Amino acid sequence: QSVLTQPPSASGTPGQRVTISCSGSSSNIGSNYVYWYQQLPGTAPKLLIYRNDQRPSGVPDRFSGSKSGTSASLAISGLRSEDEADYYCAAWDDNLSVLFGGGTQLTVL
Amino acid sequence: EVQLVESGGGLVQPGGSLRLSCAASGFTFSTYGMHWVRQAPGKGLQYVSAISSNAGSTYYATSVKGRFTISRDNSINTLYLQMASLRAEDMAVYYCARGALYDSRNPYFDYWGQGTLVTVSS
Repeated sequence: QSVLTQPPSASGTPGQRVTISCSGSSSNIGSNYVYWYQQLPGTAPKLLIYRNDQRPSGVPDRFSGSKSGTSASLAISGLRSEDEADYYCAAWDDNLSVLFGGGTQLTVL
Repeated sequence: EVQLVESGGGLVQPGGSLRLSCAASGFTFSTYGMHWVRQAPGKGLQYVSAISSNAGSTYYATSVKGRFTISRDNSINTLYLQMASLRAEDMAVYYCARGALYDSRNPYFDYWGQGTLVTVSS
């Protein structure tokens, strides 16, 4: 059971905007940065968002992150078929460990 | 070009041991925190362990504490994970990942290896 809670699935049609939530507590999201990863089938995860809302170079600005209190969100605008993947949030927990969310499988209809 | 190449996975019996290696190249290994993350078949990502750039600090997930040991050899740019008392629930693809510069805590994993599969079965 993951301590960071994500919806198991999300979906949208091409061009739509989709958001994925990640809920934690004061010892993780509430006091530390949130990170987001995209994992395409059969591949290693890819860093999508770091420090709540920063994009690594090469990540399209269609992807954006935000944080408020003990929750965070990943938004994908202008949804494309290649965005179909699993998405994970992660954060450091003050109990001296990294926590991942359970993952959200995004389907592009 | 940054490269992380894991090795050492394989089939091991419950209660057995295994050592994973991660050979790093293309960056100054001794200045980065390094991490192990695993993924059981069909499941999500799970943090395993981390080590600071100078090996002065290590961190473990509760589920592996006392059974797994992370280490590194900065002279040969290699990260290790010594796994003991392996259980069925340890079966997963194990990835090594580069952390942030001089940071072994935050899950800033910008480069990942291809993963190595550990199968625990009798």
